[in-house]
Amino acid sequence: EVQLVESGGGFVQPGGSLKLSCAASGFTFNRFWMHWVRQVPGKGLVWVSHINGDGSNSNFADSLKGRFSISRDNAKNTLYLQMDSLTAEDTAVYYCSRDLIYWGRGTLVTVSS
Amino acid sequence: DIQMTQSPSSLSASVGDRVTITCRASQGIRDDLGWYQQKPGEAPRRLIYGASSLQSGVPSRFSGSGSATEFTLTISSLQPEDFATYYCLQHNTSPLTFGGGTKVEIK
Repeated sequence: EVQLVESGGGFVQPGGSLKLSCAASGFTFNRFWMHWVRQVPGKGLVWVSHINGDGSNSNFADSLKGRFSISRDNAKNTLYLQMDSLTAEDTAVYYCSRDLIYWGRGTLVTVSS
Repeated sequence: DIQMTQSPSSLSASVGDRVTITCRASQGIRDDLGWYQQKPGEAPRRLIYGASSLQSGVPSRFSGSGSATEFTLTISSLQPEDFATYYCLQHNTSPLTFGGGTKVEIK
């Protein structure tokens, strides 16, 4: 059974940084593109980023380039999202997904002073 | 970036109604489109992939059609468990983009 479990969310002050993790199990992790998608509470889904199986190719939503970075550790079956220079507008639930079919439950990031 | 314009943003319908939701892409995306259902507090669930292929386990009352720039999700006979928010997603070109969502509410 495919399982994706996000962690690392929480409260952070504006200008701060946070690194999210997504622990994957139930499939051969290095064979799949992985995605991050976020959702401001009560609002729509926004695609954030994706990375290919060996980590050599990634893309970002234009508005997040330069502040966020994506990476993966295939030995640990874990996906990461490094978020820097956070603002209140980054407050959202962050989901990881395997090929946009399987999804985790999400982790809430709150940026507030 | 490819913009996905979804309509309507919300609708009210009764159990048994036929419901149609539309997504329009700002440029052609072939059939690189999926439809998702999301209920409050839950992660999205893919219903349709490749614009018209039904995801395994999804009831046959859901169907998708279209290509290039015009896409439709149809629920042939709305059931109580279908009241939710629906999104389209294009994966033809990065950055991937979602439509704004359609909230289906009980009339």
